[in-house]
Amino acid sequence: AQSVTQPDIHITVSEGASLELRCNYSYGATPYLFWYVQSPGQGLQLLLKYFSGDTLVQGIKGFEAEFKRSQSSFNLRKPSVHWSDAAEYFCAVGAGTGTASKLTFGTGTRLQVTL
Amino acid sequence: EAEVAQSPRYKITEKSQAVAFWCDPISGHATLYWYRQILGQGPELLVQFQDESVVDDSQLPKDRFSAERLKGVDSTLKIQPAELGDSAMYLCASSKRLAGEWSSYNEQFFGPGTRLTVL
Repeated sequence: AQSVTQPDIHITVSEGASLELRCNYSYGATPYLFWYVQSPGQGLQLLLKYFSGDTLVQGIKGFEAEFKRSQSSFNLRKPSVHWSDAAEYFCAVGAGTGTASKLTFGTGTRLQVTL
Repeated sequence: EAEVAQSPRYKITEKSQAVAFWCDPISGHATLYWYRQILGQGPELLVQFQDESVVDDSQLPKDRFSAERLKGVDSTLKIQPAELGDSAMYLCASSKRLAGEWSSYNEQFFGPGTRLTVL
C-alpha cells in the first residue's frame, strides 16, 4: 500500500525568505503526486500535481515541486514566501486506476510566516 | 468557477445524538468522496461513490456511519449515534468519472468541509 511522509510538522519562515517543504512517498509503481494547501477551517486547494513528464512542476501562487524518483521525494518550494502563505500543506500520492483510484495524504506541515 | 458545496459548515452536538452532513458536488462529476480529517492529521477516505453506487466503503464505521447518493448527484453522510471521537472535519470531494489511468479525470476538488464537535 502507498504511504506519504511529511517529516516536518511545523515550519516557521520569515516573509520574503525561501521555503521548502519535504515529502517522501512509498509506492511500488509510477506515483501520481499532489500538493494541497488548507487554510484554517477551509477545504483543500490543489497547488500542483505531477503525473508524468518534466520532473519540475509549476503550480499556483508561485509554488513549484520537483519529483525525484531516486529519492522518492516530491518537495514543495517557493522562492519568496508571503504572509498569506501561512496555512497547512498536504502532500498526497494517487494510486490505483479507474474506480480504484485513491488519494493517500501525509499528516501535513503547518507553515507559519513571521513578518 | 464551479465549487463543491457542503452544509452545515459547523455542527455541535452531544454524544449519542444523530448528525447529518450534506454535499453537492461539481455539476457533472460522477465520483464523490467523503473524507474525515482529525485535527493534526491528513484526510482519510471514508466512502467513495461513482454515480449512485458505493465503490469503496472499507474505512466507513458501518455500525454508526451511513452514506447515500440516491440520484447520483448530492450526498448525505450520517452518524448515529455520535461519539466523542467523531469530532473532526468532514470533507467532501468530487471528480469526473474515473476510468483508466490517472489524468485530469481523477483530480479531486474539495468542499469547505463541515467541522463537527461532539460534546
